[in-house]
Amino acid sequence: RKEVEQDPGPFNVPEGATVAFNCTYSNSASQSFFWYRQDCRKEPKLLMSVYSSGNEDGRFTAQLNRASQYISLLIRDSKLSDSATYLCAVNRWGGADGLTFGKGTHLIIQP
Amino acid sequence: DAGVIQSPRHEVTEMGQEVTLRCKPISGHDYLFWYRQTMMRGLELLIYFNNNVPIDDSGMPEDRFSAKMPNASFSTLKIQPSEPRDSAVYFCASRLLAGGRTDTQYFGPGTRLTVL
Repeated sequence: RKEVEQDPGPFNVPEGATVAFNCTYSNSASQSFFWYRQDCRKEPKLLMSVYSSGNEDGRFTAQLNRASQYISLLIRDSKLSDSATYLCAVNRWGGADGLTFGKGTHLIIQP
Repeated sequence: DAGVIQSPRHEVTEMGQEVTLRCKPISGHDYLFWYRQTMMRGLELLIYFNNNVPIDDSGMPEDRFSAKMPNASFSTLKIQPSEPRDSAVYFCASRLLAGGRTDTQYFGPGTRLTVL
């Protein structure tokens, strides 16, 4: 089993719709979880950290399920500008470590 | 405020040549990471440094790869000799881990390497 797995998509979603992605991780010792956004031919940029209690930032909501070892990202009222690849990332030691990334989920928002 | 700076942005070289990639982290950051991204394997951690000291190089694919951080503001990733399968985008990232609090990794724009 790969360390971090994501559905590569693409997810084709109409503008204004709600879309959700999941990401599973294999290392139960993982401490910190993140969603990154990567635009075509650009570097990854942090979208949001994922906390145990779940967290929301505007139209974006992230959830963590430690028992099932997955994290999720929900995007509400999707915009054309949300089109990108979304990478989930995990690290083991709560920060003092490099990140293990999934391969990303490609999202296309259609007008 | 300058972000992570990488050079060159693009590199095309021939198999067997030495390639040196450069990174300047964000000033004051104490962690520096080198990642490689390919379509097949995604984004992979190669090596990371804390206060200029290499901590984990288990992701470095082979002895052809080496990385150094001679001071807090500069790091290099060297491939010698280069092979076509090394073609990828190489990202450098830095982070400040202050007081044990996890903080964001900031990525540089990457170096797109093509080995012919």
